[in-house]
Amino acid sequence: DTGVSQDPRHKITKRGQNVTFRCDPISEHNRLYWYRQTLGQGPEFLTYFQNEAQLEKSRLLSDRFSAERPKGSFSTLEIQRTEQGDSAMYLCASSLTAGEGGYTFGSGTRLTVV
Amino acid sequence: GNSVTQMEGPVTLSEEAFLTINCTYTATGYPSLFWYVQYPGEGLQLLLKATKADDKGSNKGFEATYRKETTSFHLEKGSVQVSDSAVYFCALFNQAGTALIFGKGTTLSVSS
Repeated sequence: DTGVSQDPRHKITKRGQNVTFRCDPISEHNRLYWYRQTLGQGPEFLTYFQNEAQLEKSRLLSDRFSAERPKGSFSTLEIQRTEQGDSAMYLCASSLTAGEGGYTFGSGTRLTVV
Repeated sequence: GNSVTQMEGPVTLSEEAFLTINCTYTATGYPSLFWYVQYPGEGLQLLLKATKADDKGSNKGFEATYRKETTSFHLEKGSVQVSDSAVYFCALFNQAGTALIFGKGTTLSVSS
């Protein structure tokens, strides 16, 4: 068990470009979550999957954001037409069932939009 | 909806001092409560949790008691170390029970 892996660790992109992040959860965890964390704030929920089904999306997830989890394994988060306000740390977490035991987080992908 | 409020930091302490980080919550029902810790350059790690009223979660010398009378889940440690320097987040599940909601975090800095 290597924990939750996120790739890349850092991404710098120009405004208007598209970016895609990847998350590999703990293999036996059927739930996967995406959060966004800005400087000085706590993580904010974006969306979650149970297996391959995306079951909930936050109002923070504008139509420029899309997430997938094909086959219920790894997940990708894509941001289209990036804006400077998208600059943040994007965190992925996974859990077994509903997560009453807590989530396991990855180290995050830091996005900087210039 | 459910929410948590943490004391603002930073909290600056000398090694071996007593630590309290306040967390209060607003919730429908009695959701599980969590403390997470984020060390510099790392992801969030679960520190401790409590699943029902009067439960005490503990780990690595840290403790927190789920108090429904005061809707609080304060984090305490009797003697902090330099290695405890990190950002601490209080969290609970949203009303639907589908995702964790986090406080803004409290930065702890411990000097020797």
